[in-house]
Order: sequence, then C-alpha cells, then structure tokens
Amino acid sequence: EAGVVQSPRYKIIEKKQPVAFWCNPISGHNTLYWYRQNLGQGPELLIRYENEEAVDDSQLPKDRFSAERLKGVDSTLKIQPAELGDSAVYLCASTTGRAKEETQYFGPGTRLLVL
Amino acid sequence: SQKIEQNSEALNIQEGKTATLTCNYTNYSPAYLQWYRQDPGRGPVFLLLIRENEKEKRKERLKVTFDTTLKQSLFHITASQPADSATYLCALGGGYNKLIFGAGTRLAVHP
Repeated sequence: EAGVVQSPRYKIIEKKQPVAFWCNPISGHNTLYWYRQNLGQGPELLIRYENEEAVDDSQLPKDRFSAERLKGVDSTLKIQPAELGDSAVYLCASTTGRAKEETQYFGPGTRLLVL
Repeated sequence: SQKIEQNSEALNIQEGKTATLTCNYTNYSPAYLQWYRQDPGRGPVFLLLIRENEKEKRKERLKVTFDTTLKQSLFHITASQPADSATYLCALGGGYNKLIFGAGTRLAVHP
C-alpha cells in the first residue's frame, strides 16, 4: 500500500514569490493534516481536514497561507507571498478519521527554502 | 499555553546500552501520548501509544512509561543498536486525534 505522497520534495524560491505543495493521503484516509516543521523543532499543526471540511485552521496564517482539499482526497497548501521565515519542512499526514488516538501517517515532507 | 520539553541536547550512548529519553509537559492533561521516530529527510513514523490510565507499554525493545502526576513520559530502547540512531518525538494527544509535538531528542548509538 502506498504511503502519503508529497510533492515537490524540495523547493527554492525568492521571497514574495508564491509556492504550492501537494499531498495525496493514504487511500481511504478521511482526515488530512498539514504541519510545518522548523529546523530543530517538532511538527506544528497548520490545518486539519475531515473530508473536504477544514475543522481546525486556527494556526494557519491566513493572510498568506491557504489550503484546499477538493473532493476530500488530495490537498494543496499555498503560500503567497512567501517570506524568509517560511523556510521550513511542510509535512502532510493522514488518518482514517474513524477512531480517537489514531496513528498519524506522515509523508516525506516538502523542504522549502525562501531566499 | 502547553509546553513540552524533551532533552535538547543529543543523547550519545554505546551499542548494547539502554537509551532513556524524557518528555516533560506543563499546562496540559493529555488523554494519551505517542512516540514517533524521525530520520533525516523523512517524516515521523509512529512507534508507541500510551493512554493516561496506563503506566507502561512495551513493544519488542521499546518501553514507554507515563506518569500523569509528574507530567512525564520516559521512552526506553534496550540493547540499542546503531540503527536506532534518529530523532525521537513525543506527542501529547487530546481532543480527536489532535497531537502537540515536542522538539524531539536526537539519539546517536555508537558501535
């Protein structure tokens, strides 16, 4: 079974440019998470989806970040415009959403460098 | 706000010894706690879950304890191997599948 797929794996952009990350969760997983992981830190939740609905986006900087999960499968996270402080690894994770305390399955992440 | 503390410095041990990693937290009462392993350039991988009403959990060479009075979890790897070298993250669980991660502890096992 394929795991969580993310692309691109690496992205280098100049500040003020837009950037988008894509995530394909494990088949059948209804819950999808986007995290940001700064160097030497743990993942921090940006947004959580239950199917198509964003149920927790309290930590998403909405002035420049947006996300969508059309049809409740794939998801895209966008930053526009990017700032130097956005350099980090962006991780996508998924769970079935059918139980509490579930294991979260993570993708390999997209490493973003903003110059 | 919630605060999670893991050993900020890397833990260096000799092969065959037991590694003990600490996770302390404040201002939170997690219903459960999970431990993940993260290798460089990869996403975290789940290892163990322990609930608030459980004192200890074991899985092969791994053992985790959870003391809700001390607000602490200990993660042990017995008979450590160089392949165990990685960063280990603790995550506090509450609500519905909501995790708050610590910064992680880097473990280096030397032959």
